[in-house]
Amino acid sequence: GAVVSQHPSWVICKSGTSVKIECRSLDFQATTMFWYRQFPKQSLMLMATSNEGSKATYEQGVEKDKFLINHASLTLSTLTVTSAHPEDSSFYICSARDQVAGGEQFFGPGTRLTVL
Amino acid sequence: GDSVTQMEGPVTLSEEAFLTINCTYTATGYPSLFWYVQYPGEGLQLLLKATKADDKGSNKGFEATYRKETTSFHLEKGSVQVSDSAVYFCALYTQGGSEKLVFGKGTKLTVNP
Repeated sequence: GAVVSQHPSWVICKSGTSVKIECRSLDFQATTMFWYRQFPKQSLMLMATSNEGSKATYEQGVEKDKFLINHASLTLSTLTVTSAHPEDSSFYICSARDQVAGGEQFFGPGTRLTVL
Repeated sequence: GDSVTQMEGPVTLSEEAFLTINCTYTATGYPSLFWYVQYPGEGLQLLLKATKADDKGSNKGFEATYRKETTSFHLEKGSVQVSDSAVYFCALYTQGGSEKLVFGKGTKLTVNP
């Protein structure tokens, strides 16, 4: 199946700094990518839908100025957590939609963010 | 709005035991239904899916049948293995509706030898 990678797999940062997470579709082009947040023992919460070449669509309650999303190419989307605080600590997962594969979403392995 | 409810975990079974993880849904329109599996330290993988009522999805010995009358999509496996230990997520997708995957909370399965 199609492969989606995320980098880094884990990151620790100080409060107030910004962190960038990359999501890449390795063997297919993805016009649409999704960013999720997963809390311990909870489900995935969709944060935003990222469309190549246009602005991301954020879910209600997600601060777009805090979680900056850029989808500059058909294989790369980035999520930047700006001025991170401890409450932003979480597991962030991206997925990419493969239109050739009937629109199936393929998920990355996730990025563990810890803000001290 | 659309929602998915799946049984609370964790579920602990012995090898070769029968597995059922219940999943029910609420949706406007006619959703496609999915089961995803997340192995430790990995991302989500599609396990199986069904796109219309009475469809049965199956993969790796797992099965689930799309039951419209009971709005359910229960996951079953006749004989689990230690390697099946993972978190299982039920999800739905409604094209023309929210066009988003909506996930249940996940059920952690541990299979002991």
